[in-house]
Amino acid sequence: SQKIEQNSEALNIQEGKTATLTCNYTNYSPAYLQWYRQDPGRGPVFLLLIRENEKEKRKERLKVTFDTTLKQSLFHITASQPADSATYLCALAPFFYQTGANNLFFGTGTRLTVIP
Amino acid sequence: GAVVSQHPSWVICKSGTSVKIECRSLDFQATTMFWYRQFPKQSLMLMATSNEGSKATYEQGVEKDKFLINHASLTLSTLTVTSAHPEDSSFYICSALHPRSQETQYFGPGTRLLVL
Repeated sequence: SQKIEQNSEALNIQEGKTATLTCNYTNYSPAYLQWYRQDPGRGPVFLLLIRENEKEKRKERLKVTFDTTLKQSLFHITASQPADSATYLCALAPFFYQTGANNLFFGTGTRLTVIP
Repeated sequence: GAVVSQHPSWVICKSGTSVKIECRSLDFQATTMFWYRQFPKQSLMLMATSNEGSKATYEQGVEKDKFLINHASLTLSTLTVTSAHPEDSSFYICSALHPRSQETQYFGPGTRLLVL
């Protein structure tokens, strides 16, 4: 079965630095991969989607890369701010024909703390 | 646009009672909604896929007679936890697929259930 690992449970960085979070998966490559932000006691909020044929996606201070050879996605937040402190989840969607539905499988998340 | 709400946000009940949780898409119609469960410090686990007008598809290990799902309209899906027990205490989150994008799930704020 597919296993999704996010590099560390918690990551602390200094304000202004770039935060880099890692998502590794085993077995089959997903059709696409998404990153979500989740604040305590709240539902996840969608940030970025990257497809299996794309190498990089950007949105403001966020950047996602996808390496199907390494079976890894990196999520970067540049010029980090204390307001970026949250848990970040990666989620994989198998190709439609494998599951028959647009299911998402989530990693356990990395709790990011940006220190002022 | 793409707002999903859940009600209630927090519920406490006695063991043996049933609890209904509502998930609504407020500004769009969703033929497909998903129900997740999240235990403390763990990732979201997909419980079932809810399709409007048809029976829900449950993930392996999820008891369909215990977690009743009804998707009676294009804006409402309900999850009923029947005969709840303390081990059912968890954070239940729903999501909905927006008709413009079948790849992005919009999540509700979650419902925290505590069974005494």
